[in-house]
Amino acid sequence: DIQMTQSPSFVSASVGDRVTITCRASQGISSWLAWYQQQPGKAPKLLIYGASSLQSGVPSRFSGSGSGTDFTLTISSLQPEDFATYYCQQANSFPLTFGGGTTVEIK
Amino acid sequence: EVQLVESGGGLVQPGGSLRLSCAASGFTFSRYEFNWVRQAPGKGLEWVSYIDGVGSTTYYADSVKGRFTISRDNAKNSLSVQMNSLRAEDTAVYYCARIYSGVTYVFDSWGQGIPVTVSS
Repeated sequence: DIQMTQSPSFVSASVGDRVTITCRASQGISSWLAWYQQQPGKAPKLLIYGASSLQSGVPSRFSGSGSGTDFTLTISSLQPEDFATYYCQQANSFPLTFGGGTTVEIK
Repeated sequence: EVQLVESGGGLVQPGGSLRLSCAASGFTFSRYEFNWVRQAPGKGLEWVSYIDGVGSTTYYADSVKGRFTISRDNAKNSLSVQMNSLRAEDTAVYYCARIYSGVTYVFDSWGQGIPVTVSS
């Protein structure tokens, strides 16, 4: 199974800050990586697929990069609605696996 | 508008069974692959099971293999999972999640989730 490791687990940040979350796969997954945002009590929402493709309707302040084993989600200027938990997911092979999540909290 | 609505959750005793359903609308159901993903209280996301568009190919997480069975009825635009021999560690919110058409194994639409509690 491919293990996905996210860091950090928690980020404390202010509105307007630039936030970077990393995700590492235990083996190469090319660009088969997605990022999701989950608000408390809500279903996850797809942000990024193919490591760097922005899902329709997602603000351009979100961006993704990386390939192989190392990936990054960047929020260029944090907005109040961005305080949430973010998950990476490898889409390379079954079993599909998620990272442990990164919670972005208000500083 | 894409809508996925889960039902069938609730409280069940260890060793018991439960069948979850997901009613789909707003798109051509048979053209999409589906999954069940769960989230234990206070924990992260865990993929549970996958089914292709015609129901001929299925995959399961090791944690549920042999106990859960995923199925679909394209005539009724419905996805299901039969959960048997339930354990306390199966307690979670269960989501049905659609695979993004043309994008391998990425979930573009999710239901609102349905809680399942396994406890005596």
